[in-house]
Amino acid sequence: KQEVTQIPAALSVPEGENLVLNCSFTDSAIYNLQWFRQDPGKGLTSLLLIQSSQREQTSGRLNASLDKSSGRSTLYIAASQPGDSATYLCAVRVGGGADGLTFGKGTHLIIQP
Amino acid sequence: DAGITQSPRHKVTETGTPVTLRCHQTENHRYMYWYRQDPGHGLRLIHYSYGVKDTDKGEVSDGYSVSRSKTEDFLLTLESATSSQTSVYFCAISAGQGGRDTQYFGPGTRLTVL
Repeated sequence: KQEVTQIPAALSVPEGENLVLNCSFTDSAIYNLQWFRQDPGKGLTSLLLIQSSQREQTSGRLNASLDKSSGRSTLYIAASQPGDSATYLCAVRVGGGADGLTFGKGTHLIIQP
Repeated sequence: DAGITQSPRHKVTETGTPVTLRCHQTENHRYMYWYRQDPGHGLRLIHYSYGVKDTDKGEVSDGYSVSRSKTEDFLLTLESATSSQTSVYFCAISAGQGGRDTQYFGPGTRLTVL
């Protein structure tokens, strides 16, 4: 059974810092990996998707990397801003088609002004 | 937001009553999903659908049933609600193909079972 772990569970940093959120998964046979952002009381917003054949994806100040062989992904946030405060979720998909996602429990991020 | 709406957005009900949550999408996506989110557990898959009248169980399907009679609607039913089903329920669709299929989520339904 695929399990996804996110470390740290919570993180508080001053504005402007670069930071790294970690995600690990137990079965390296994944189809793709998604990073999401969730604001309190809200739904999930998809940030980045990395296909199993890719090593990284970038969107603005966000960069996600994938190392399938070691079962790890990182989300790098450059020049953090208070508006980045949210919970960040990592999720893996084992197969294509109708397969669902297996989620980590998230990293709760606070950016101090 | 991939055109996903959920109704109701909030519901309070009593133990033993039936409850139906609705997910509606406007973009004709084939695959639809129901997840629940609980503190300490994260999001977990309840049921999913791969077409009209085609559904299957996810990780935490006990106590839930689903139906999909039209492409755009995916219903989640709690036949006899229990307090352990108090949760936030999210509907999702999968869009794209060839490794780039991305899941997009609705705004969620907060269900409280007293």
